[in-house]
Amino acid sequence: GAVVSQHPSWVICKSGTSVKIECRSLDFQATTMFWYRQFPKQSLMLMATSNEGSKATYEQGVEKDKFLINHASLTLSTLTVTSAHPEDSSFYICSARGSRTGSYEQYFGPGTRLTVT
Amino acid sequence: AQRVTQPEKLLSVFKGAPVELKCNYSYSGSPELFWYVQYSRQRLQLLLRHISRESIKGFTADLNKGETSFHLKKPFAQEEDSAMYYCALSGRGYNKLIFGAGTRLAVHP
Repeated sequence: GAVVSQHPSWVICKSGTSVKIECRSLDFQATTMFWYRQFPKQSLMLMATSNEGSKATYEQGVEKDKFLINHASLTLSTLTVTSAHPEDSSFYICSARGSRTGSYEQYFGPGTRLTVT
Repeated sequence: AQRVTQPEKLLSVFKGAPVELKCNYSYSGSPELFWYVQYSRQRLQLLLRHISRESIKGFTADLNKGETSFHLKKPFAQEEDSAMYYCALSGRGYNKLIFGAGTRLAVHP
């Protein structure tokens, strides 16, 4: 149980375009979802926290107008990278937490590799 | 400031040798500490957390508040333990995880 999926698993887009990444909790209701960014051989850096039905809370240094997060339902959160640039190329990982998963346990998606050309 | 430090980027051992992956933290309050593992080409998954005080896959970790450490230990490493290990911290009412830089464990035959 407690499975989180991401779609797409990888995406290539041209500079200046926008790309949307979906994060779904498949068998539980995710009251909170988290978006991370991971550079090669580096740790996960939290970008933002989103609670269902409310605005996302962004970490310092993360541009909220560039990385749009929507958490409209208890099973879906989306991250839209707007006007993508090559420096946005990275591995984006979401995680989800809900009442069923316990107070602090987060379940992670498989990640989405974004390449901006 | 909240911070998790994993001083070793790579830990290389032979099969059957003891393993200790170090983790130190900085947090004002009562933290919850976790170890996450990422096997090759797989997603990050929870290995263990300090409040459960359990042994998973032979790994244990004890929270030492005096030394602000949460080292991960296993008495006899196996090749299948080779993976990336991340120590992470969260706090009561603190709605997020802070990860350390990670330690790659390589267990050689």
